[in-house]
Amino acid sequence: EVQLVNSGGGLVQPGGSLKLSCAASGFTFSGFAIHWVRQASGKGLEWVGRIRNKTNNYATAYAASVKGRIAISRDDSKNAAYLQMNSLKTEDTAVYYCTSGGGSGSPSDYWGQGTLVTVSS
Amino acid sequence: QPVLTQSPSASASLGASVKLTCTLSSGHSSYAIAWHQQQPERGPRYLMKLNSDGSHSKGDGIPDRFSGSSSGAERYLSVSSLQSEDEADYYCQTWDTGIVVFGGGTKLTVL
Repeated sequence: EVQLVNSGGGLVQPGGSLKLSCAASGFTFSGFAIHWVRQASGKGLEWVGRIRNKTNNYATAYAASVKGRIAISRDDSKNAAYLQMNSLKTEDTAVYYCTSGGGSGSPSDYWGQGTLVTVSS
Repeated sequence: QPVLTQSPSASASLGASVKLTCTLSSGHSSYAIAWHQQQPERGPRYLMKLNSDGSHSKGDGIPDRFSGSSSGAERYLSVSSLQSEDEADYYCQTWDTGIVVFGGGTKLTVL
């Protein structure tokens, strides 16, 4: 069974940092890009960024709203990906999901369960 | 970059059929999209990838009641024999080099 498990969310003060994790199992994790998507309460889905696989040199890309404040990384030996968030703002408050392709060609065949990040003083 | 447009809401009766629309912006009518379902208080779930020619590949366990079709810049998600658990938000998604875009979502109400 394919699983993506998100963890690492919590309450952080504005200007603070947080590192989210995405642990994968049940598929060839190293073969696919990992994306991060967030959803503020009552709002739609917003793409945050992605990291490609080794074949594609682990290339990263980020949404304009977070560029310069986040970094996505992965450790294929641990079947894990990470989202490092710095200089957090109140508007970064959201549930954060990791997603992975799975062979269909879409970026998000599989979704994690999400982890809540709350930025507040 | 592509932009996806969805109607904010739709409704249909239990047991009936409904067709949701996702429209690609000008110049992007050849793009494939994906449909995702988000039931209340749950995370999103991948439904299918839908190509411009109407061919689609569904996710694991997605019922035959869900199907996709395409016409020009329009991408459709059809749901037949509506059940109460189909009441959800439906998002379309597309992608290009270095970017992924979501539509604003359609809230489907099953009457």
